[in-house]
Amino acid sequence: EAGVTQFPSHSVIEKGQTVTLRCDPISGHDNLYWYRRVMGKEIKFLLHFVKESKQDESGMPNNRFLAERTGGTYSTLKVQPAELEDSGVYFCASSQGQGVAAFFGQGTRLTVV
Amino acid sequence: GENVGLHLPTLSVQEGDNSIINCAYSNSASDYFIWYKQESGKGPQFIIDIRSNMDKRQGQRVTVLLNKTVKHLSLQIAATQPGDSAVYFCAENSGGYQKVTFGIGTKLQVIP
Repeated sequence: EAGVTQFPSHSVIEKGQTVTLRCDPISGHDNLYWYRRVMGKEIKFLLHFVKESKQDESGMPNNRFLAERTGGTYSTLKVQPAELEDSGVYFCASSQGQGVAAFFGQGTRLTVV
Repeated sequence: GENVGLHLPTLSVQEGDNSIINCAYSNSASDYFIWYKQESGKGPQFIIDIRSNMDKRQGQRVTVLLNKTVKHLSLQIAATQPGDSAVYFCAENSGGYQKVTFGIGTKLQVIP
């Protein structure tokens, strides 16, 4: 069974450009999460989907970030316009239900120059 | 706000020895704890978890200990192997969701 997959694995963009990250969760997992790790800092929660609905988006840093999960399958995280401080590794995770650990993807390393 | 922290950023252990990675948490409402292992270029990988109604749980070569009195969590790895070299994160959540709070991580270096 395929795990959580993320695309692209790396992205280098200029400040002001737009980038869209994609996450394909494990099939059948209703819960999907986005996290990010800025260099030297801890992994921080961004938001949580249950199917196509945003359950918790308290970690989204600002309105330049937009996450979607149309149809409750894969999810996208768009950053528009990107700023230098958005650089980091963005992780996606999914889980079957509540109260169990989530499985993480390999992450997308975003570099904004 | 409340967060999870780690005592040691780097731990060097001789191959074959046991490793102990410690973690302190501050949220007394946390009821579920997870240890993740992250190897270079990969995402966090689930190792073992423990709920607040337990104080010890064992897996294959790993044991997690939970001391709720002092809000302390530890991961013990028996007979540490080179493949155990990675960054280890403890994470906690409360309220039944998987929104977890991570510490900064401890880098485990295994010396051959």
